[in-house]
Amino acid sequence: KAGVTQTPRYLIKTRGQQVTLSCSPISGHRSVSWYQQTPGQGLQFLFEYFSETQRNKGNFPGRFSGRQFSNSRSEMNVSTLELGDSALYLCASSSPTGVVSGELFFGEGSRLTVL
Amino acid sequence: DAKTTQPPSMDCAEGRAANLPCNHSTISGNEYVYWYRQIHSQGPQYIIHGLKNNETNEMASLIITEDRKSSTLILPHATLRDTAVYYCIVRQERGGYNKLIFGAGTRLAVHP
Repeated sequence: KAGVTQTPRYLIKTRGQQVTLSCSPISGHRSVSWYQQTPGQGLQFLFEYFSETQRNKGNFPGRFSGRQFSNSRSEMNVSTLELGDSALYLCASSSPTGVVSGELFFGEGSRLTVL
Repeated sequence: DAKTTQPPSMDCAEGRAANLPCNHSTISGNEYVYWYRQIHSQGPQYIIHGLKNNETNEMASLIITEDRKSSTLILPHATLRDTAVYYCIVRQERGGYNKLIFGAGTRLAVHP
């Protein structure tokens, strides 16, 4: 069974640009969550999507957005990039039945560097 | 969700049991204890979770004190591949949200 797939794995952008990251969840999983990991702040929750609807959001500015498609694949977008957005962005999937569970399956992440 | 406290780092000899403590003194009755680990440059990996009874799976055992104010994750025979940051998370099963609040975790170093 394939795991959570994130693309691209590495990318470099400059300040002011925007970036889109993609996440394909485990087949059958309907919930996709996004996390940001930095050395200073650790792992922080960005948002969660379930059945194409955002049902929870962390404390990040509006420059961070996401969406989920009918096949449960998800994308997140960061606009007007800042140096502080350099981080490992992790996607996690769960809930083949929609039941809430803390058992999340994480991808290997997309490492974004903003210059 | 309740706050957790973990030692920042621990060492363990290969083949020995690794016992990772976690304090969650403000835990409430409907909050579960979850453990995840993150091996360098990889995404976090779910290990185990429990409410009040001790739990065991193929990876580890989770011992929760009777008052639920602390727990211990036990890796029975640590290997070099168990070197990772271990996160103890307290989470309510509510609201339809799959949100985890990660702390700083414990950096476990397993040495030969």
